[in-house]
Amino acid sequence: SQQGEEDPQALSIQEGENATMNCSYKTSINNLQWYRQNSGRGLVHLILIRSNEREKHSGRLRVTLDTSKKSSSLLITASRAADTASYFCATAGAGSYQLTFGKGTKLSVIP
Amino acid sequence: SQTIHQWPATLVQPVGSPLSLECTVEGTSNPNLYWYRQAAGRGLQLLFYSVGIGQISSEVPQNLSASRPQDRQFILSSKKLLLSDSGFYLCAWSVRLAKNIQYFGAGTRLSVL
Repeated sequence: SQQGEEDPQALSIQEGENATMNCSYKTSINNLQWYRQNSGRGLVHLILIRSNEREKHSGRLRVTLDTSKKSSSLLITASRAADTASYFCATAGAGSYQLTFGKGTKLSVIP
Repeated sequence: SQTIHQWPATLVQPVGSPLSLECTVEGTSNPNLYWYRQAAGRGLQLLFYSVGIGQISSEVPQNLSASRPQDRQFILSSKKLLLSDSGFYLCAWSVRLAKNIQYFGAGTRLSVL
């Protein structure tokens, strides 16, 4: 069953605004990852945060992780039209080869 | 650098026909390999994963099977396609014993009519 649940399902913002997407999960994790998918394409890994980390940055991306609430957020600052895509969180359990993906947030950035 | 190739990009097949989707990885050895299916507007469902040649784990019992005849080759098959097999199929690989970061192919859009 799907472990990650992203919120909102869809988000529409103006170029230059910040976009925040949330992810909740149910069981203990080793790490949590965010992926991006352009329409009709494969997924691209964006950022990984370990279970003992609380915040991580990569360029315009900021990810937070709250293991007590079993939730994570992805913030994209100063959004661009090229950021339009679906964003998925994925969780990895300890010692597991597998990732469990959520259903994704569809982000539309309007020029 | 590592690359993953997945083909074909699109496929239209009649109900009851066989299926073979192929995925190959270049530039790495002993990868973990994965097949996912993505329904329209939905997340990814893990179908199969493999940690070595001939080693296949199935996550969802269904009309599909997978094989790994070579270290960097992963094949998804069906003897008789069903309408419900339509979807977007993605192959991915990861470095064994690493942080589970997965690298995806471009996907195959399968329509069963």
